[in-house]
Amino acid sequence: NAGVTQTPKFRVLKTGQSMTLLCAQDMNHEYMYWYRQDPGMGLRLIHYSVGEGTTAKGEVPDGYNVSRLKKQNFLLGLESAAPSQTSVYFCASSYLTPGHEQFFGPGTRLTVL
Amino acid sequence: KNQVEQSPQSLIILEGKNCTLQCNYTVSPFSNLRWYKQDTGRGPVSLTIMTFSENTKSNGRYTATLDADTKQSSLHITASQLSDSASYICVLNQAGTALIFGKGTTLSVSS
Repeated sequence: NAGVTQTPKFRVLKTGQSMTLLCAQDMNHEYMYWYRQDPGMGLRLIHYSVGEGTTAKGEVPDGYNVSRLKKQNFLLGLESAAPSQTSVYFCASSYLTPGHEQFFGPGTRLTVL
Repeated sequence: KNQVEQSPQSLIILEGKNCTLQCNYTVSPFSNLRWYKQDTGRGPVSLTIMTFSENTKSNGRYTATLDADTKQSSLHITASQLSDSASYICVLNQAGTALIFGKGTTLSVSS
């Protein structure tokens, strides 16, 4: 089992560029999440999904969009990147509700110049 | 005001020593409280989980305690090893909603 994988691991963007981060899990989990982690701050939830074809906003959704077309994949998109989106992005999945153990991916370090 | 406060922010100890990390919370009620370990450059990994009614839970050299009266949890690490160097994150699951993360304590174990 690979668990939760994320691509890419690193990316540098210029302001205004767009990109998509891919998250994949092979544990047949229903719930998937996208977080961002900034220095001195806890993990903050961007968007999440409770199943294939569903998405919902988290704590900091502005500037991001997501899609869950397949149960095992959860995509995070930045349509017009801003320097404030420089962060480390983590994807996670859980069998059912957020209270179940969340399994995290290795993270994507994004820098927006 | 943060609903989950962790202390200290960072800690340096010598290999072999014990240490205790604190988590104070205002969230009530909640379903469970987890401690996660996050190695540098990696995603968090769950160490322990306690429900509201549990007082203690162990995972090898890691022991978590929960005092619902004082709204405090602690993570005690016994006989620390270099591999314990990481950030430790306290996370509360407020019943029916998303998780509430603390900012973490960064532990450095030196030889």
